[in-house]
Amino acid sequence: QQQVKQSPQSLIVQKGGISIINCAYENTAFDYFPWYQQFPGKGPALLIAIRPDVSEKKEGRFTISFNKSAKQFSLHIMDSQPGDSATYFCAARKGGGNKLTFGTGTQLKVEL
Amino acid sequence: NAGVTQTPKFRVLKTGQSMTLLCAQDMNHEYMYWYRQDPGMGLRLIHYSVGEGTTAKGEVPDGYNVSRLKKQNFLLGLESAAPSQTSVYFCASSYSPGGFDEQYFGPGTRLTVT
Repeated sequence: QQQVKQSPQSLIVQKGGISIINCAYENTAFDYFPWYQQFPGKGPALLIAIRPDVSEKKEGRFTISFNKSAKQFSLHIMDSQPGDSATYFCAARKGGGNKLTFGTGTQLKVEL
Repeated sequence: NAGVTQTPKFRVLKTGQSMTLLCAQDMNHEYMYWYRQDPGMGLRLIHYSVGEGTTAKGEVPDGYNVSRLKKQNFLLGLESAAPSQTSVYFCASSYSPGGFDEQYFGPGTRLTVT
């Protein structure tokens, strides 16, 4: 049972373009939605996160858009750079234990 | 600070063998977690701990055991390894309960069971 559905599985974007990764969830008890970035051979690292009481959060070139009624959230990477090439995971947290449920990941490649 | 470290980095086991993966963190975090990462399946929580001496099951706990005898260490054990346990294992830690706390991940252990 995949509680957090992520798409697309892979994405190729030209340098300077916009990368968009989407996630959807079912459980309305989720209360925190982080995105993690993972480079090959490394552990994931927190990129940006949002709480469900706001609709958008921006940090530099990275923006999370959150639609509570649709139970969807997305990551936008503006002016995508080759250094952004990595795997991106959305996640959702449900209350106690700070446990995260991860999406299946999106492998992003930014081409010159 | 070293952050979260994992030992070993790589391991090959034969079916039926046992092993223990060690996770250590030097950030005085209360919570620690073990995940496995498989292609197309993201990261799945195996077990977690909300403090020294406590452990709890995650999403995929079967075939694994854990212990948290010291706050800074979280051990993951495989008593009788199976090929289905071939995966990359990540340990993570976070500071405190209640808040929206970042999980800090280690570099991973790549385990192959033949």
